[in-house]
Amino acid sequence: AQKITQTQPGMFVQEKEAVTLDCTYDTSDQSYGLFWYKQPSSGEMIFLIYQGSYDEQNATEGRYSLNFQKARKSANLVISASQLGDSAMYFCAMKRRGGSNYKLTFGKGTLLTVNP
Amino acid sequence: GAGVSQTPSNKVTEKGKYVELRCDPISGHTALYWYRQSLGQGPEFLIYFQGTGAADDSGLPNDRFFAVRPEGSVSTLKIQRTERGDSAVYLCASSYGGLYNEQFFGPGTRLTVL
Repeated sequence: AQKITQTQPGMFVQEKEAVTLDCTYDTSDQSYGLFWYKQPSSGEMIFLIYQGSYDEQNATEGRYSLNFQKARKSANLVISASQLGDSAMYFCAMKRRGGSNYKLTFGKGTLLTVNP
Repeated sequence: GAGVSQTPSNKVTEKGKYVELRCDPISGHTALYWYRQSLGQGPEFLIYFQGTGAADDSGLPNDRFFAVRPEGSVSTLKIQRTERGDSAVYLCASSYGGLYNEQFFGPGTRLTVL
């Protein structure tokens, strides 16, 4: 069975600094995808970044990068130059191939607070 | 283009009542998912549609929960004989399917069972 672990219930960062949100995963699959989503207080899940298990380079999307360490089964999200609008819940998720179903399995999330 | 929409945004009902939650996915997306998010938790998978058929309903907690997608677009999640433990945010997501395509989420329906 798949499992996503986010060990940081809450994180604080100063505006303009970088922050790393931890994510480890457990799977026996060879082919899988790792995702990070942001959930502001409004409730909508916003896709941030994706990493495929066979991708050799770490994914980057603007200020977001994913530090993928396959042997350690970790997929940490790095946010550079934090902004006040980055304050939100952040969820790490995994998608695996199960027949035709590509459902996401989520961690419990990390609440990020950016201080001015 | 328009994103995933869900109605109603909030639903308050009494224990034992029947409720329907609606999801309108992004046009052209063949895959549709329902998730449930309890307070302080990440979303949990309920059911997946590929086209009109429920390809995987293994996440539905019991037979009080049922979902349909009759024309391969709009989906309705139906909950019979609601219980207080059903209170949660119900999220719908759609995608082109496949391992590498991200799922786009709607704003959710907050269900409160009194």
